[in-house]
Amino acid sequence: SQQGEEDPQALSIQEGENATMNCSYKTSINNLQWYRQNSGRGLVHLILIRSNEREKHSGRLRVTLDTSKKSSSLLITASRAADTASYFCATASYYGNNRLAFGKGNQVVVIP
Amino acid sequence: DTEVTQTPKHLVMGMTNKKSLKCEQHMGHRAMYWYKQKAKKPPELMFVYSYEKLSINESVPSRFSPECPNSSLLNLHLHALQPEDSALYLCASSQGVGGRWTEAFFGQGTRLTVV
Repeated sequence: SQQGEEDPQALSIQEGENATMNCSYKTSINNLQWYRQNSGRGLVHLILIRSNEREKHSGRLRVTLDTSKKSSSLLITASRAADTASYFCATASYYGNNRLAFGKGNQVVVIP
Repeated sequence: DTEVTQTPKHLVMGMTNKKSLKCEQHMGHRAMYWYKQKAKKPPELMFVYSYEKLSINESVPSRFSPECPNSSLLNLHLHALQPEDSALYLCASSQGVGGRWTEAFFGQGTRLTVV
């Protein structure tokens, strides 16, 4: 199954700084999604970008998608201590196949 | 209601026990998922139900048996598990619109320990 892959995998930043994470994938997709996970509990959906979109914003989040390079980035601006979490990208295949495949994830630590 | 509810939150079971994990959603979603997540790893897809039918089985051992009694409920029956099956088990649901699947909503998971 397709897996998104993020790079880097661990990031430690000061509060107020921006955090950027990258994700690459291997095959055609319907959409790419980013999720946050706190302390090994449930995942929370952050943002979804469709294959025909190039950039999307939601609050302090900015996601880009480059289908020619099969890559995406997640930018969190003006980070807060509460942003400390693991962040995963996940890819959804095309029509009729709702398999959602997760990449390795990034551990982000925001230092107050 | 945008919640996916999983019970129990924690479960400790012996290798000879039979137990079930339960998941419920009332968002009218027609796809429901079971994921397994080990510490510091991404979630791994186990099963997908679409419109109450098993549509994806990622070659999961038969000691895990999914069941979808109706569109709101998803169970995972456990029998004769091994210690390496200890993990966080996550349930999720999503909606299909015009053949395209939207974001997934996750429950808080069941932390399973097999002793």
